[in-house]
Amino acid sequence: QKEVEQNSGPLSVPEGAIASLNCTYSDRVSQSFFWYRQYSGKSPELIMSIYSNGDKEDGRFTAQLNKASQYVSLLIRDSQPSDSATYLCAVFFPTGGGNKLTFGTGTQLKVEL
Amino acid sequence: EADIYQTPRYLVIGTGKKITLECSQTMGHDKMYWYQQDPGMELHLIHYSYGVNSTEKGDLSSESTVSRIRTEHFPLTLESARPSHTSQYLCASSNSGTQNWQYFGPGTRLTVT
Repeated sequence: QKEVEQNSGPLSVPEGAIASLNCTYSDRVSQSFFWYRQYSGKSPELIMSIYSNGDKEDGRFTAQLNKASQYVSLLIRDSQPSDSATYLCAVFFPTGGGNKLTFGTGTQLKVEL
Repeated sequence: EADIYQTPRYLVIGTGKKITLECSQTMGHDKMYWYQQDPGMELHLIHYSYGVNSTEKGDLSSESTVSRIRTEHFPLTLESARPSHTSQYLCASSNSGTQNWQYFGPGTRLTVT
């Protein structure tokens, strides 16, 4: 069973702080990792992808990947109230064909004024 | 403009009616997916397609059916709607290759009375 696990939260951080969202996955052969943001009532939107160990930065977002520990995280610097949403971790588990992502249950982030 | 479209966006319908949820993408993606998501809950994959005339059931059992006659079109049909089908239905697409990320449509919110 391929699994992606996230703490459901809610994670509450004050405005301007760093929000740290974590995700673990079950399959060592996974090569592609994604973070999606989903506002209430809306569809998920891709905000970060990461494929190799280390950090990847894009604006206020940093994705971190540690394949040995099967761990991927998302840091949001200078958190804003507009960052309040559910963040979904998604991992591609190679199968016999096609590409299916497995999504975690999501972590709800609340940025408080 | 390359995008993924879903119609209708909202649908309220009585029990026993047949409904078709439309999904079209203009991004030239070969893979398409249907997810079901209740408010505040996780995404569940119900159907996916690797290409024309190829469809597979997803991880969550669903009474719906899908077809893929054209690359850009992936409709979902419920032959007899029931209140238990009330949910949000999200369509997504992706391309073959190494990136593996999925792009989501805006969703259809279905209410069966």
